[in-house]
Amino acid sequence: SQQGEEDPQALSIQEGENATMNCSYKTSINNLQWYRQNSGRGLVHLILIRSNEREKHSGRLRVTLDTSKKSSSLLITASRAADTASYFCASYNAGKSTFGDGTTLTVKP
Amino acid sequence: EAQVTQNPRYLITVTGKKLTVTCSQNMNHEYMSWYRQDPGLGLRQIYYSMNVEVTDKGDVPEGYKVSRKEKRNFPLILESPSPNQTSLYFCASSFRVRGRNAYEQYFGPGTRLTVT
Repeated sequence: SQQGEEDPQALSIQEGENATMNCSYKTSINNLQWYRQNSGRGLVHLILIRSNEREKHSGRLRVTLDTSKKSSSLLITASRAADTASYFCASYNAGKSTFGDGTTLTVKP
Repeated sequence: EAQVTQNPRYLITVTGKKLTVTCSQNMNHEYMSWYRQDPGLGLRQIYYSMNVEVTDKGDVPEGYKVSRKEKRNFPLILESPSPNQTSLYFCASSFRVRGRNAYEQYFGPGTRLTVT
């Protein structure tokens, strides 16, 4: 399987709830990135966390990284219907990139 | 406006008919990549380029060619397309974040290719 496996594959929540997605990876990384993709569209970069960081925030997004467990999580707080999308983690180093399979998030109004 | 453009956005073709999907970025990024996205398989990197005339294989390069003659352009060439290359293709460019070993990718809108 690919490096970068998201869990769960699909998540459905009500507006206002928090959404947590997890990503596991296999090899060493310099950094881990999270992307969002609306159906059939290009990916949009959300946040990058470096291997020497443990937590990072950006607006309603919070990303954690545990290099000992080779895992990362993305938390979206106070979700909105507009957050409905697929979310991917990815490792990237000087051109070579590996994406996970993604988590499809549905936020019901 | 900073962007990555791809053309065409949609293409239906027949097996064996050579085609090229163009990709262009106006951000002066050094790095560019091509990905394909298939249901249940996520995004898989086909080829990437670290600079002009420097390209390397990603995870699924078979059946594809690329070239990087200019910094802004990174075309994807399918010399003899086959039905298993039916997919959604994305081009991306990237830059190093704040001089460190961290890169942020910008993606194009995608090209939906169907090979019959």
